[in-house]
Amino acid sequence: KNEVEQSPQNLTAQEGEFITINCSYSVGISALHWLQQHPGGGIVSLFMLSSGKKKHGRLIATINIQEKHSSLHITASHPRDSAVYICAVAGGGADGLTFGKGTHLIIQP
Amino acid sequence: GAVVSQHPSWVICKSGTSVKIECRSLDFQATTMFWYRQFPKQSLMLMATSNEGSKATYEQGVEKDKFLINHASLTLSTLTVTSAHPEDSSFYICSARDAVQGALIAYNEQFFGPGTRLTVL
Repeated sequence: KNEVEQSPQNLTAQEGEFITINCSYSVGISALHWLQQHPGGGIVSLFMLSSGKKKHGRLIATINIQEKHSSLHITASHPRDSAVYICAVAGGGADGLTFGKGTHLIIQP
Repeated sequence: GAVVSQHPSWVICKSGTSVKIECRSLDFQATTMFWYRQFPKQSLMLMATSNEGSKATYEQGVEKDKFLINHASLTLSTLTVTSAHPEDSSFYICSARDAVQGALIAYNEQFFGPGTRLTVL
């Protein structure tokens, strides 16, 4: 079973700061997802990665398959980025996702 | 594109009743749908994997007779919580995946529904 660890668990930052959230996993995967969950519970898929780097607006996600590690970066953070960010992995033959516990991000104006 | 809906968005029911939650892929055919649940302040956990036209595969510890899953079409999966009890109160989320790689949807990408908050009194 894959163990997914995220850090930090909680992060409070000022508007405009560069944010990094880390995710590590224990077993080889076929894909890694970064998800955003707002207080109401709804989940938005931000990225799906199997290698390299992806960028969408102010969000950047990277993955290092050899080191079993991924990072999510937010540039020029804004209060509307406040949410829980969740790393989830899809392993080999297992289709369902295994989730990290999430990082609760608060961006203060 | 790639929108998944869930209905209802919230439900309150009495202990012992059954509750049905629907998950629909609106603009693609979902050969596989997944059901997850999230207890307060905990991470999401996979309950079961549902492939169209076949029986669902349940994760260890999830009672298949209590959580009935039906994936009768390529756009609809239902989760029925039978004889619900207060400990079943949770946030239930489905996701859908199209196994065919297309212009807009990459293989293995999952799209999440908005979730259903179940409260059992």
